[in-house]
Amino acid sequence: QSALTQPASVSGSPGQSITISCTGTGSDVGGYNYVSWYQQHPGKAPKLIIYDVSKRPSGVSNRFSGSKSGNTASLTISGLQAEDEADYYCNSFTSSPSFVFGSGTKVTVL
Amino acid sequence: QLQLQESGPGLVKPSETLSLTCTVSGGSISIISSYWGWIRQPPGTGLEWIGAISYGRNTYYNPSLKSRLHISLDSSKNQFSLKVYSVTAADTAVYYCARDPGFRYDDWGQGTLVTVSS
Repeated sequence: QSALTQPASVSGSPGQSITISCTGTGSDVGGYNYVSWYQQHPGKAPKLIIYDVSKRPSGVSNRFSGSKSGNTASLTISGLQAEDEADYYCNSFTSSPSFVFGSGTKVTVL
Repeated sequence: QLQLQESGPGLVKPSETLSLTCTVSGGSISIISSYWGWIRQPPGTGLEWIGAISYGRNTYYNPSLKSRLHISLDSSKNQFSLKVYSVTAADTAVYYCARDPGFRYDDWGQGTLVTVSS
């Protein structure tokens, strides 16, 4: 199965907002409201930051928000902070059934 | 908070079988609504979902890897395991185990690097 499509990199200045897109098909992102997002710092395990498209786990900053339109999901980070510099991956349930991850996006805080 | 810990050989020869175990502590693996999954990350690249198993031993696998995979669960030891058959260098990766309470992975192990090399 092919990875969901994410931009390789996104950057922003502290305090700005950035959005990361995640594009799939009707058999994954477009077909289910089971899109999740993960933050991964170098050498660390991924951390869940968004699930079910737009829900935040307890303890995750409300600066992180998620949405979906058609076959594309999006993660928005508002009030960008230095600690947000990391890799971000989307994930979707699929019709196989299985899960598929996105290709990953490196976020740089300028 | 659940804790998950991967264990197994760090080096496997090509064509042999990669075997890993994930030990769950701080709670029971017998959580009816949870699945227990494996995810891997080749060096310098992205995450790849491998497969998952439920307490009831229902399994589902990445279609691209399905023919070489087996995931099992031992509730008496609070563990679940992964086998990848006929490995090649492309199977070199950090392997993570994780808990899925419902279409997401919220508790992760720290990951273990497995290198396929002769």
